Amino acid sequence: DQQVKQNSPSLSVQEGRISILNCDYTNSMFDYFLWYKKYPAEGPTFLISISSIKDKNEDGRFTVFLNKSAKHLSLHIVPSQPGDSAVYFCAAVYSGAGSYQLTFGKGTKLSVIP
Amino acid sequence: KAGVTQTPRYLIKTRGQQVTLSCSPISGHRSVSWYQQTPGQGLQFLFEYFSETQRNKGNFPGRFSGRQFSNSRSEMNVSTLELGDSALYLCASSLEDRGAYEQYFGPGTRLTVT
Repeated sequence: DQQVKQNSPSLSVQEGRISILNCDYTNSMFDYFLWYKKYPAEGPTFLISISSIKDKNEDGRFTVFLNKSAKHLSLHIVPSQPGDSAVYFCAAVYSGAGSYQLTFGKGTKLSVIP
Repeated sequence: KAGVTQTPRYLIKTRGQQVTLSCSPISGHRSVSWYQQTPGQGLQFLFEYFSETQRNKGNFPGRFSGRQFSNSRSEMNVSTLELGDSALYLCASSLEDRGAYEQYFGPGTRLTVT
């Protein structure tokens, strides 16, 4: 049973436009969410996170939105750059579990076209 | 600050053998987690260690084990290797810091079982 889902395996966006990556979760106990970017042959790189007490968090070109009632979050990248081309993973944490286990989606491959 | 390091980066083993992978966390990080990444299953949680104690374990067979040393360095061991164990094994470290669940990943060890 996949608790974190990224339903779009891939996304292509023109350079300079907005990239919107989506993520849905089923476990209502999740209360902290993270986005990671991964290049081939490298480990995932942390991008941005959001606690369930917020509905938006911004960091430069990256903004994460959380809709708890819909169990949905999204990552907006504005403007998109060719260097943003990578696989993006959404991850969730249940902080009450007493450990730092991340539950990941299967990723969305973003291609930014120059 | 140096990032998470993993050794070796690449490994080829034969079915039935055993393997030990090593991870050095970011200085000051006491929590170390291990994940397995495969094309079909994505990133899956193996286990998490904190202060030399296993705090959480994912849904993997007992052939997968790990440990953490007093300097927070961690090792994972896979015994009686199977072809399906071929994967990228990722180690991640994090601060024991309530409210912040970001994990920082190493480059991974690519294990190929033949």
